[in-house]
Amino acid sequence: AQSVTQPDIHITVSEGASLELRCNYSYGATPYLFWYVQSPGQGLQLLLKYFSGDTLVQGIKGFEAEFKRSQSSFNLRKPSVHWSDAAEYFCAVGAHPNAGGTSYGKLTFGQGTILTVHP
Amino acid sequence: DTEVTQTPKHLVMGMTNKKSLKCEQHMGHRAMYWYKQKAKKPPELMFVYSYEKLSINESVPSRFSPECPNSSLLNLHLHALQPEDSALYLCASSQEGLGTSSYEQYFGPGTRLTVT
Repeated sequence: AQSVTQPDIHITVSEGASLELRCNYSYGATPYLFWYVQSPGQGLQLLLKYFSGDTLVQGIKGFEAEFKRSQSSFNLRKPSVHWSDAAEYFCAVGAHPNAGGTSYGKLTFGQGTILTVHP
Repeated sequence: DTEVTQTPKHLVMGMTNKKSLKCEQHMGHRAMYWYKQKAKKPPELMFVYSYEKLSINESVPSRFSPECPNSSLLNLHLHALQPEDSALYLCASSQEGLGTSSYEQYFGPGTRLTVT
């Protein structure tokens, strides 16, 4: 079974500081990995995804994430945080489409990390 | 255009009411999903439709009844709900097909449901 752990429930940073949100996953094969962001009362917006290839992926809003197979991690980073980045961030793992069967289309989310940005 | 729309935005219903949530996408996606999200929790998958057929039902109580009238629309019919069903209900869609790079799910803004 696939699972995702986001060790940090809540992170506070100052505006302009760098950010790293941690994500560890458990999956028996090559995972599909995603980071989503959710503002209060809103839906989830996709920040970036990893399927294969280059292990450093770029996303929207200046975010990037690095896939490290040896550490089963997919940490999200941003060099300089803006006040508008305050939100909840979810890491998710999905079954590879070639897995077939009913596992296709199922995302497993981590518990989320709430980001607070101080001015 | 990566937009998924959901109506209504907010819904308050009594335990004896019947109501429906609606979701629409025009991205040509052939997989659509319903999620339930309680406060301070991640989304929980409820149903998956693939090519307008129910593909996954995550043991959801029968008081929730999904329907996919066509490839662009997804409904969730609600009947005899309980107060603990109050939550944000999210719809999502994704491309379907092996080997596609468009595997990611796009989410709508959600319907905030309150059961009184």
